[in-house]
Amino acid sequence: GAVVSQHPSRVICKSGTSVKIECRSLDFQATTMFWYRQFPKKSLMLMATSNEGSKATYEQGVEKDKFLINHASLTLSTLTVTSAHPEDSSFYICSARDSGTRSYEQYFGPGTRLTVT
Amino acid sequence: QQQVKQSPQSLIVQKGGISIINCAYENTAFDYFPWYQQFPGKGPALLIAIRPDVSEKKEGRFTISFNKSAKQFSLHIMDSQPGDSATYFCAASKRQAGTALIFGKGTTLSVSS
Repeated sequence: GAVVSQHPSRVICKSGTSVKIECRSLDFQATTMFWYRQFPKKSLMLMATSNEGSKATYEQGVEKDKFLINHASLTLSTLTVTSAHPEDSSFYICSARDSGTRSYEQYFGPGTRLTVT
Repeated sequence: QQQVKQSPQSLIVQKGGISIINCAYENTAFDYFPWYQQFPGKGPALLIAIRPDVSEKKEGRFTISFNKSAKQFSLHIMDSQPGDSATYFCAASKRQAGTALIFGKGTTLSVSS
């Protein structure tokens, strides 16, 4: 199956600093990638849809100036949490769909555990 | 209209038993229904998916049953094993490009040995 990677897998940062998370599709191209946030024992909450070469589409209630998304190529999307605070601590997961096929499957990365101290 | 309702929230099944998880959706425009399996600290992994033009799909021990008129679909895990212990999420979306998945709230399955 298609492989999506995320880096880093875990990050601890101090309050007020910014953190960048990378999401890569390793063996396919993805016009669209998605960013989710997951709290412990909860479901995945869609944060934004990342479109290659254009601005991301954010879900209601998600601050676009705080969660900066860049999708500069067909295999890479980045999420930058700016001026992080302890309440931003969470599990962030990206997903991608193979643009080159008619398949509708979305593949998820392994997730990034962010802890803000 | 965007919700996907999943039940039960948790499930305990004996080894060798059948695990059944149910989901219901409201938006009749949804036409793609995947199930994901997630282990603690990991990303969700696609398990099996179905489109509304079929009523059942089977892959190994996993079967999706789909009832279009009732707007319901379910996951059946036959011969459940301790290694199946995980959280399962149903989801739904439109198949068009760029459409995000709408997830159910998840079911935590524990298979006792």
